[in-house]
Amino acid sequence: AQSVSQHNHHVILSEAASLELGCNYSYGGTVNLFWYVQYPGQHLQLLLKYFSGDPLVKGIKGFEAEFIKSKFSFNLRKPSVQWSDTAEYFCAVNAPSGGYQKVTFGTGTKLQVIP
Amino acid sequence: EAQVTQNPRYLITVTGKKLTVTCSQNMNHEYMSWYRQDPGLGLRQIYYSMNVEVTDKGDVPEGYKVSRKEKRNFPLILESPSPNQTSLYFCASSSSSRHNSPLHFGNGTRLTVT
Repeated sequence: AQSVSQHNHHVILSEAASLELGCNYSYGGTVNLFWYVQYPGQHLQLLLKYFSGDPLVKGIKGFEAEFIKSKFSFNLRKPSVQWSDTAEYFCAVNAPSGGYQKVTFGTGTKLQVIP
Repeated sequence: EAQVTQNPRYLITVTGKKLTVTCSQNMNHEYMSWYRQDPGLGLRQIYYSMNVEVTDKGDVPEGYKVSRKEKRNFPLILESPSPNQTSLYFCASSSSSRHNSPLHFGNGTRLTVT
């Protein structure tokens, strides 16, 4: 069974600082990878996704993530965070399981950006 | 507007009183799923459905039931709620049961069982 680890539970940054959130997964086969964002009091929204091809994927609001297959990692990055990026971020792995979709989420990282 | 609609947004109930949380999507999605979100545990899947009349257990199905009689609706039923089911619940859907379809989430239902 697949699993997802997010190493940072709570990150505090000042505006304009660079961001990198770690995500590692365990699954031996082909996976699809996602980052979702949950702004305070809201539902989860898709930030970006990786299916195949270029391992560096760009998402909305200046976020990007790099898939490194040899490290089973899919870290999320942003060069310069804004106060509006304050949210909880979830990494997710989507892999075949008995022919159907099995989505496994990490435990989430809360990002607090200080103005 | 394409969306997943959950009701109610907030619910306070007492132990043992049956309740249903509704979920409806207007995107003609095949796949629907229920998650609960708890601090420090992320999202855990309760039940999912690949299509009408096809449902299966997720990682934490105990104490929950679901049904999928129509493609658009996927209600979550708690026959006898207990305090450990106090949580934030999300319904989600995607266009297919293939593993490359992103999930679309509802706005969540915050349930408190006393």
